[in-house]
Amino acid sequence: ETGVTQSPTHLIKTRGQQVTLRCSSQSGHNTVSWYQQALGQGPQFIFQYYREEENGRGNFPPRFSGLQFPNYSSELNVNALELDDSALYLCASSLDGFENSPLHFGNGTRLTVT
Amino acid sequence: AQKVTQAQTEISVVEKEDVTLDCVYETRDTTYYLFWYKQPPSGELVFLIRRNSFDEQNEISGRYSWNFQKSTSSFNFTITASQVVDSAVYFCALSEAPAGGSYIPTFGRGTSLIVHP
Repeated sequence: ETGVTQSPTHLIKTRGQQVTLRCSSQSGHNTVSWYQQALGQGPQFIFQYYREEENGRGNFPPRFSGLQFPNYSSELNVNALELDDSALYLCASSLDGFENSPLHFGNGTRLTVT
Repeated sequence: AQKVTQAQTEISVVEKEDVTLDCVYETRDTTYYLFWYKQPPSGELVFLIRRNSFDEQNEISGRYSWNFQKSTSSFNFTITASQVVDSAVYFCALSEAPAGGSYIPTFGRGTSLIVHP
């Protein structure tokens, strides 16, 4: 059974740039959610995709967008990066977005915006 | 609105001590789920337990035990005979039953547990 993998592990970007983070879900999982974790804080929900459709979104601006592909892998895109976007971005997969099954997390992508 | 409070920012213990991590939650819903996750230094959060609001039975899994009390809106986590490998940040999370949408967990700020040899 393959776990959740995220790429890249680290990334440094300049304010105003755009970034794409990638996530491969655990095999058999059809739901992917993304979280932003600032230093010393708990994860904050960004959005969730279930079978390629967004089915939940947290309090993040539209410049945070995502995709889920037919193989259930996912991308998180952030446009017009701001300094406050510096954080650990976590991807989590689960089975059936409506069933509240436990989340399986990847190791995250550490994004630094300078 | 849902809210999770983990008042203990950091706890430091010596190996073999017992330690309890506190979690207090707020919700207006009668149906909800509570979770605990562990985040080791490697970064990924590891699922430990899920309880629904209708099941108040305490649970024990090896050295881990959980005490769910609806009367005080608490879901505390105890590690017995702590070990150095237990050192991590522990998060409590709450998700309410969706109104036609998906479950979206709210995480507490986490408690950093440091176990010294």
